[in-house]
Amino acid sequence: EPEVTQTPSHQVTQMGQEVILRCVPISNHLYFYWYRQILGQKVEFLVSFYNNEISEKSEIFDDQFSVERPDGSNFTLKIRSTKLEDSAMYFCASGGSVQETQYFGPGTRLLVL
Amino acid sequence: GNSVTQMEGPVTLSEEAFLTINCTYTATGYPSLFWYVQYPGEGLQLLLKATKADDKGSNKGFEATYRKETTSFHLEKGSVQVSDSAVYFCARVNRDDKIIFGKGTRLHILP
Repeated sequence: EPEVTQTPSHQVTQMGQEVILRCVPISNHLYFYWYRQILGQKVEFLVSFYNNEISEKSEIFDDQFSVERPDGSNFTLKIRSTKLEDSAMYFCASGGSVQETQYFGPGTRLLVL
Repeated sequence: GNSVTQMEGPVTLSEEAFLTINCTYTATGYPSLFWYVQYPGEGLQLLLKATKADDKGSNKGFEATYRKETTSFHLEKGSVQVSDSAVYFCARVNRDDKIIFGKGTRLHILP
């Protein structure tokens, strides 16, 4: 069964450093998403991406964040200058069409020191 | 605004007990509704879904019915197992296609 994959599974970084989180969505999906879950809190929407551009973004997704689909398979989330409060589990998701099921990857746990 | 409210945990039950985790939503229109499950140390997995009123989603013995009149999507299972121990998230998809999650309910099943 096709699945969304994410790398790395864990990342530790120093405050102020740039991180890139990688995702490989399900191959025939067209809609891509990033969510995050701060420890002990609920899962929050960050951004959606379709047709090589951002469709929607939340207040959390400020200028420090960017997304890219550099080739036909990867979907990346970059945090330019990490802050302590960026420590969270980041989930990538993909979907075949609008408002259809979004399939989630296993997540990348980011720890900013 | 649009939101999802689910019962707070943790919920602790004995094996073979009946489970209900309540979930209600506020909405304009008719969103699609989902239950996701997060097993210890793992990511989010879709458990079941319903896309319109009176639909019943079911999977692995779990069921939830989309109730428009009570704006609810309660998760039920007749006989839980230790392996059902996880965090369960009720969720809805808005018109803008972003998922709104509830806060999650941690379920502990005792042998």
